[in-house]
Amino acid sequence: GENVEQHPSTLSVQEGDSAVIKCTYSDSASNYFPWYKQELGKRPQLIIDIRSNVGEKKDQRIAVTLNKTAKHFSLHITETQPEDSAVYFCAASHAGGTSYGKLTFGQGTILTVHP
Amino acid sequence: NAGVTQTPKFQVLKTGQSMTLQCAQDMNHEYMSWYRQDPGMGLRLIHYSVGAGITDQGEVPNGYNVSRSTTEDFPLRLLSAAPSQTSVYFCASSKGARQPQHFGDGTRLSIL
Repeated sequence: GENVEQHPSTLSVQEGDSAVIKCTYSDSASNYFPWYKQELGKRPQLIIDIRSNVGEKKDQRIAVTLNKTAKHFSLHITETQPEDSAVYFCAASHAGGTSYGKLTFGQGTILTVHP
Repeated sequence: NAGVTQTPKFQVLKTGQSMTLQCAQDMNHEYMSWYRQDPGMGLRLIHYSVGAGITDQGEVPNGYNVSRSTTEDFPLRLLSAAPSQTSVYFCASSKGARQPQHFGDGTRLSIL
């Protein structure tokens, strides 16, 4: 089955700096890659997603890049703010075969933005 | 529009007891999933369903049962609770396999 590795496990930045979180996946058939943000004691919430037919997607201060050849994708947050502090999860899935509908998550990155 | 509703929010069980975690969604989503979240281990898929009457196992299915008799509901049953099942359980739903998953608020379950 799919295996998703996420790095780093913790990330500390100063307000205004950029933050980058990287994930690798094992199943070359995976074609959907969402990112979720989870604040303490809350539900995970989607912040951005990308499908395998595009290499990059941007939404204001957040961007995701995908390298299908290397099987890795990254989350980029620019001009970080204290409210960006949370746990971020990457995930991967594909709509085919015996894994149809399964979403596999990375282990999470605790991002702390210092004022 | 309530989204994904999970009940109960908190539960304490004794080892060997059984119980059902409820999950309901009002978005007419075909896909529903159950995850457990443990510290340092992210979200692990327990069971999922691609539509009414269809369920399949995820990464950690042992000790849990599911059924999907309607589009709206996807209950998770613990057959005989064990301390290793102490966790936070999230239910999620989506329109399809490559669509955003919407999560419920979670059920915090402790097994003594």
